[in-house]
Amino acid sequence: DSGVTQTPKHLITATGQRVTLRCSPRSGDLSVYWYQQSLDQGLQFLIQYYNGEERAKGNILERFSAQQFPDLHSELNLSSLELGDSALYFCASSRAGRDYEQYFGPGTRLTVT
Amino acid sequence: AQKITQTQPGMFVQEKEAVTLDCTYDTSDPSYGLFWYKQPSSGEMIFLIYQGSYDQQNATEGRYSLNFQKARKSANLVISASQLGDSAMYFCAMRTGANSKLTFGKGITLSVRP
Repeated sequence: DSGVTQTPKHLITATGQRVTLRCSPRSGDLSVYWYQQSLDQGLQFLIQYYNGEERAKGNILERFSAQQFPDLHSELNLSSLELGDSALYFCASSRAGRDYEQYFGPGTRLTVT
Repeated sequence: AQKITQTQPGMFVQEKEAVTLDCTYDTSDPSYGLFWYKQPSSGEMIFLIYQGSYDQQNATEGRYSLNFQKARKSANLVISASQLGDSAMYFCAMRTGANSKLTFGKGITLSVRP
């Protein structure tokens, strides 16, 4: 158990819908990262937050957005969902000054039908 | 741009034997870090080992060691005394400079035979 929690574990929804994925980092970790793992794209970095502020952005679609709240939990919002958004979405966290150690949560498996 | 290459097909190893999983990388940044993660069939990503580009010695963590050959841009993972629980997908990843994002390879499937 990495100490990073993600909810829900599974999510099934229809095209065009909007969903919110939630992540709670390990206690004391200020950085949160979101990754998407799909069969065709592999594992891709989406976005990083550090202590509430966006720190780095990767291959995140405009339909996707994220935020980190004062209690350091983070949410990833996916809207206007398409079939191709079906993937495993991971959240990871790391301590200040030790961002080379990213600990991953169990992931949320999103299925868009 | 940085790139991680993992080209081995599915790997098989006998229980208690050692196995090497290959990873090559490409970056022009002199400061970078290399990682290995394990993803069992349950799906979670488990951090195994880290090697910094300026580290003088190869990283080791229990049964895991990283064979870092800077000139060849390779960062192979060596698992000693394989166990059945080592059967999983293994990903090599890299970060460069001050950037925290990880770039992952496509992964290698390892199957440990009893």
